[in-house]
Formats: sequence, C-alpha cells, structure tokens
Amino acid sequence: DIQMTQSPSTLSASVGDRVTITCRASQSISSWLAWYQQKPGKAPKLLIYKTSGLETGVPSRFSGSGSGTEFTLTISSLQPDDSATYYCQQYNTFSTFGQGTKLEIK
Amino acid sequence: EVHLVESGGGLVQPGGSLRLSCAASEFTFSSHWMSWVRQAPGKGLEWVANIKQDGSEKYYVDSVKSRFTISRDNAKNSLYLQMNSLRAEDTAVYYCARGFCSVGICHGNVFDIWGQGTMVTVSS
Repeated sequence: DIQMTQSPSTLSASVGDRVTITCRASQSISSWLAWYQQKPGKAPKLLIYKTSGLETGVPSRFSGSGSGTEFTLTISSLQPDDSATYYCQQYNTFSTFGQGTKLEIK
Repeated sequence: EVHLVESGGGLVQPGGSLRLSCAASEFTFSSHWMSWVRQAPGKGLEWVANIKQDGSEKYYVDSVKSRFTISRDNAKNSLYLQMNSLRAEDTAVYYCARGFCSVGICHGNVFDIWGQGTMVTVSS
C-alpha cells in the first residue's frame, strides 16, 4: 500500500502570508496527486488534480507542484476563508489520503 | 446544480448490517465512476470502494473486502453500499463521491462532487 505523509500537521499563519504544505508518498506516484480542502462539518472540496491542475472555480492563489514522491500545495496570499484542513491524496494505485494539515489563521 | 444526497445511516450493533444509498441529480450519472469515502470522528479521510460507470468493475479497501458491497442503478441515478458484519471501527461519516472527468478521461479515484455524508455508528 502507498502511504501519504503530510507536513506540518498544523500550521498557523497570517492573512497575506505565503503558505506551503508538503506531501510525501512512500513510493512514486508519478503526477497522480490531488489536494482537497475540508471545513468543519462539511464535505471535502477538490482544489487540485494531477499535481497542478486547478479545479474549476478554485481561486488562483492555490497552486500545486511536484512529482514522483514529493509534492506541495501553496497558497500564495492567505485569506481568512482558507482556514480549513487540507488533505493530499494519491490515486496512482487505488486511493490513499494523507493525514491532513490543519491551517489556522492568526 | 449537481447534487449527491446520501441516506441510510444510523446506529447499528456490532455484527449488524446497513445499506447506504446515494441519489444523484443534475449530471449524467452513468458517465462517472462513483465511490464511497468515509471519515471516522475527528479523523482523516479513507477511500472505501468504487465502481465503474457500467458496474463491471468494483474495488475495495482491504479492511472492508468481503463485508461491504458497492453497487449502482444507472436507471435510478443511485449508488449503494451494503455493509455487513459491521465493526466498531466502521463508525464514520460515509460520503458518496463522484469520479472526476477531465478532457475526456474519467478517473475512478479523484472526487469532484461529494454528498453531505451520512453517519454510521456501530455500537452496542
């Protein structure tokens, strides 16, 4: 099974900050990586697919990069609405999610 | 608006059974892979099972194989999850999720539309 490890587990940043979340796969997943945002009590929302593809309607301050085993989600200028938990997900072999990164606004 | 609505959750005793349903609307249901994804209280996301557009392929996470069965009825725009031999560790919110299609390629394990979830509690 492919394991996904996110870092950090929690993150506190200020409005306007550039924020980066890292996701590492236990083996190569090529570019088959997605990112989701989940707010409390809500279903997850797809942000990024295939490492860097921006889902329709997602603000351009969100971007993704990487390949193989190491990937990043970057928020270029943090907004109050970005407070949420973020999950990476590999879909090279079935599906595995990372453990999540809780992003708080200072 | 594209919509997925789950139902069928509830409280069940260990060893019991439950059938979840997911009603889809405002998209061509038969064109998409469909999945169930669960989230235990306070925990992360876990993919449970998925099913191909025509039902010919089904895949499961190891922990539910032989206990859960995913199915679909394209005529009714509905997805199902039959859960048998339930365990305490199956307690979770169960989400129905649509497989993402882009530039003519439909993926079974990227999810662009999610339902609101239905809670399953396994406890005596």
